[in-house]
Amino acid sequence: KAGVTQTPRYLIKTRGQQVTLSCSPISGHRSVSWYQQTPGQGLQFLFEYFSETQRNKGNFPGRFSGRQFSNSRSEMNVSTLELGDSALYLCASSFQGGGTEAFFGQGTRLTVV
Amino acid sequence: QKEVEQNSGPLSVPEGAIASLNCTYSDRGSQSFFWYRQYSGKSPELIMFIYSNGDKEDGRFTAQLNKASQYVSLLIRDSQPSDSATYLCAVRGSSNTGKLIFGQGTTLQVKP
Repeated sequence: KAGVTQTPRYLIKTRGQQVTLSCSPISGHRSVSWYQQTPGQGLQFLFEYFSETQRNKGNFPGRFSGRQFSNSRSEMNVSTLELGDSALYLCASSFQGGGTEAFFGQGTRLTVV
Repeated sequence: QKEVEQNSGPLSVPEGAIASLNCTYSDRGSQSFFWYRQYSGKSPELIMFIYSNGDKEDGRFTAQLNKASQYVSLLIRDSQPSDSATYLCAVRGSSNTGKLIFGQGTTLQVKP
């Protein structure tokens, strides 16, 4: 059974640009959550999608957005990039979210210069 | 008060010893609890989950949950140098969605 796949693995962007990250969950999993990991703040929850609907949202500015497609694949978009957006972005896949285990992809390392 | 708290460490134990990692959480309605292991430069890997009070054992790992004390721990028996990593405690709150709240992680060093 394939795991969670995130693409791309690495990105370098310039301040002010926008970026789109992709996450393909484990087959059959309907919940995809996104997290930002930085050395100073640790792992912070961005948002969760379940059956194409955003079910939960963390405390991030509106520049961070996402969506989920009918095949459960999810994308995360960050607009008007800032230096502070440099981080490891992780997505986690679970069968239905609550009450089930979550498995992480390998992450996308975003560097904003 | 942070929602999920862990001692950042590093926690250093000799090879073969028991490593004990602790975590406290603030939301009394939290439903499920997870331990992830993260090697440097890698993504978190789920190693244990526990939903009910008491102990849950899986190989060399034992997770312990005490909801009354809002405390969850991870014991690693017969620690190996390959266990050296950061261990993240994650809590799923009372909303019962996919949102996980993570502690800052405890760095474990197992010395040969």
